[in-house]
Parts: sequence; C-alpha cells; structure tokens
Amino acid sequence: EAQVTQNPRYLITVTGKKLTVTCSQNMNHEYMSWYRQDPGLGLRQIYYSMNVEVTDKGDVPEGYKVSRKEKRNFPLILESPSPNQTSLYFCASSLVFGNTIYFGEGSWLTVV
Amino acid sequence: AQKVTQAQTEISVVEKEDVTLDCVYETRDTTYYLFWYKQPPSGELVFLIRRNSFDEQNEISGRYSWNFQKSTSSFNFTITASQVVDSAVYFCALDTGGFKTIFGAGTRLFVKA
Repeated sequence: EAQVTQNPRYLITVTGKKLTVTCSQNMNHEYMSWYRQDPGLGLRQIYYSMNVEVTDKGDVPEGYKVSRKEKRNFPLILESPSPNQTSLYFCASSLVFGNTIYFGEGSWLTVV
Repeated sequence: AQKVTQAQTEISVVEKEDVTLDCVYETRDTTYYLFWYKQPPSGELVFLIRRNSFDEQNEISGRYSWNFQKSTSSFNFTITASQVVDSAVYFCALDTGGFKTIFGAGTRLFVKA
C-alpha cells in the first residue's frame, strides 16, 4: 500500500530536548516536504527536498533541520525545541511537480 | 507573490443544504496546479482534486463539484446535499513548481443533522 509513515504520532517533550520526527515513503517519490499546521494559519511549509541530498527552506524553517540521505526518508530534527514549536506536523511526498501530494497521518508535538 | 485565500473561516449548514467553499489564488506563473484537501476530525489530510492551469473544465464527482475560473483566479468547491460526514476542515492549495506548495488557512465546515 502506498503510504507516507511518520513517527511518533504523539509526543510531549520538554524545552531544549532534541527530538527527531521520522518520515518514510514507499512510493519512490522525488519530492518530500514537512509542514506544520497551526489554527488559523493552515499548513506552512518548513523544509522540502527535491531529491537525495537536495533540501531547501520553506516558509518557516527556523528551529528545524532536515536531511535527505536516502530517497525514502526525510527526518525532521528539532535541535532545541521551544514551546512555539508545539504544533501538528505533516510529512508529505510527491512524484513530481503538480502531482498529487501524499501526506502522512500527522504528528502531534507538544513542547512544555 | 503566491497566495491562497480562503475567506470563509467557518461555515455552518444544515444537512441536505448545498454549500460552496471559496478559494482565491494569486500567482504570476502560467503553469500551476490547484488542489483541494479535506481534513476530517481524525486529523489526516485527504486528497480531493487536482487541477492544472490549462484545464478550466468544471468537474463533478458525486456530490462534489469544482468551479475553476482563471479570469477571477478562483477555484471554488461545492458540496451538494451536504451530510454530517462532510464536516471537516477543507484546504485549497497552489503549487507553482519546485514543490513550494502554498495552502490557504482552511475553511471549517459544520454540517448539522
């Protein structure tokens, strides 16, 4: 089954404790991306990757890092999480520009 | 600048009413794609439709229909005979290439029985 899998789905963590949200897709997609969703703001792009070792900043990259060492994986790293990073995070992938974007189920992250 | 505006923050209707969700976009690109996604209370994002900028044909899928008008930069979504299961947040999105997809703020639809 074609899918985007992200983990963990739910996490409560403390300020400053590094965490990684993993994302994996099994569709051999070139493009992968991370979004955060906040009330009234829709989905905002954090980082995206057009291929292995090619990443670029989206609209809200501050406080986040990503890497794309393999085509299928695109982890999101919060080196020193802060409460303003409490949000719902989505990983997404797409074959090429304009194709359907497939989303993971979302990761609810709370930073206290 | 690329932008997607969903001016309706929340809409409340009674079951069986028709409802239209508005989406207005801004882009200078001539090639682009527009999407609608549904986010039910469970939180996942469900793909509804994709439309490219060269195809202005309206589309109907069951109770769902979409009206794409380049002249007004709009891509509106209509649900006919709404049902309680249609209650969700609906997002319109614009993709102009390079995987820079811009989402609107979303419209929350409440359908009351």
